[in-house]
Amino acid sequence: NAGVTQTPKFRILKIGQSMTLQCTQDMNHNYMYWYRQDPGMGLKLIYYSVGAGITDKGEVPNGYNVSRSTTEDFPLRLELAAPSQTSVYFCASSYPGTENSPLHFGNGTRLTVT
Amino acid sequence: DAKTTQPPSMDCAEGRAANLPCNHSTISGNEYVYWYRQIHSQGPQYIIHGLKNNETNEMASLIITEDRKSSTLILPHATLRDTAVYYCIVRVGGATNKLIFGTGTLLAVQP
Repeated sequence: NAGVTQTPKFRILKIGQSMTLQCTQDMNHNYMYWYRQDPGMGLKLIYYSVGAGITDKGEVPNGYNVSRSTTEDFPLRLELAAPSQTSVYFCASSYPGTENSPLHFGNGTRLTVT
Repeated sequence: DAKTTQPPSMDCAEGRAANLPCNHSTISGNEYVYWYRQIHSQGPQYIIHGLKNNETNEMASLIITEDRKSSTLILPHATLRDTAVYYCIVRVGGATNKLIFGTGTLLAVQP
């Protein structure tokens, strides 16, 4: 099983450019999440989804958009990149609705905006 | 979700037990305690979770106090590969399953 796969691993953007961070999972998980992690800090939740067609904001959604057209994929869109969005981005997934449902994380996308 | 307090860093000798404390004094009756770790900027890895009872799996043991206001993660025989940031998180079961992370404890296992 590949688990949660994120692409690209690294990316450098200029201010004002846009890009999409890709996330796909092969575990048939209904729930998916996007987090960002700034240096020396814990993870902050950006957006999450409880199923295809359903998304909701997390702690730090400003400057990002998401869509969930399939169970497997949960792309994160940056429309106008800003230096404050320099961070490592992690995607995660889990089974729905039970207490015994840990999150499975990908290995991250390291984004630099200059 | 209740907040947690963890020491910013700890050391442990290789082969010895590592005991990582977590304070969650405002925990509610239906909130679970979860532990994750993050090795060198990889994605966080699930370790263990519990509600009231002590739990053990192949990675670690979780001891929750009777009043549930604190817990301890125990790695019985720490190795150099256990050097990581350990996050203690409390959350309500079900619903969206989303996790709110703090800054964790950096455990350094020394040879």
